Amino acid sequence: SQQGEEDPQALSIQEGENATMNCSYKTSINNLQWYRQNSGRGLVHLILIRSNEREKHSGRLRVTLDTSKKSSSLLITASRAADTASYFCATDKGTYKYIFGTGTRLKVLA
Amino acid sequence: GAVVSQHPSRVICKSGTSVKIECRSLDFQATTMFWYRQFPKKSLMLMATSNEGSKATYEQGVEKDKFLINHASLTLSTLTVTSAHPEDSSFYICSAINSERGLNTEAFFGQGTRLTVV
Repeated sequence: SQQGEEDPQALSIQEGENATMNCSYKTSINNLQWYRQNSGRGLVHLILIRSNEREKHSGRLRVTLDTSKKSSSLLITASRAADTASYFCATDKGTYKYIFGTGTRLKVLA
Repeated sequence: GAVVSQHPSRVICKSGTSVKIECRSLDFQATTMFWYRQFPKKSLMLMATSNEGSKATYEQGVEKDKFLINHASLTLSTLTVTSAHPEDSSFYICSAINSERGLNTEAFFGQGTRLTVV
């Protein structure tokens, strides 16, 4: 399989807590993107991180990238009920053919 | 930022009919676009690469006669699901590359089209 792997597959937390999702991939990459997908809806782009970057922030989101371990993490701080969604990582090794991870289903309880 | 628009966002059609989905790059030219499919509660899988002015290239296992791709201009690719059946019900999403940005760029994704075949 060429799919990336994300863990956990499902995560349930209380509002206000932090949520961490991990993504591992198999080949060297050019960039990695994180997306959110609400149930039955389209993809929402969150953050892009390039292979020469180690960390990026956007609001309550923090993404790290460890190319030596072929892994990335997405941290959502101070989670809200509206953060409930599935989160996917997608990697590009320079061909623009993105390989999506299996996704993490996050549930934030109010 | 670069915007990729898909239309329609949702479509319901009867079995046996064909459905066309459009993918447009709104503020850049895209010689290459990609089509993905997401099965229920699964991840997205690449279906095909759409090349402006030439034939699309399909991933293994994707029926090219079933999923017709036309990339007739630098800003538009279309995916036509022919003779649709309920098993074609899925979420279809496209991505596009800005042809003018050289090698160090990324693909921009549309928001997707939810197809339901009844």
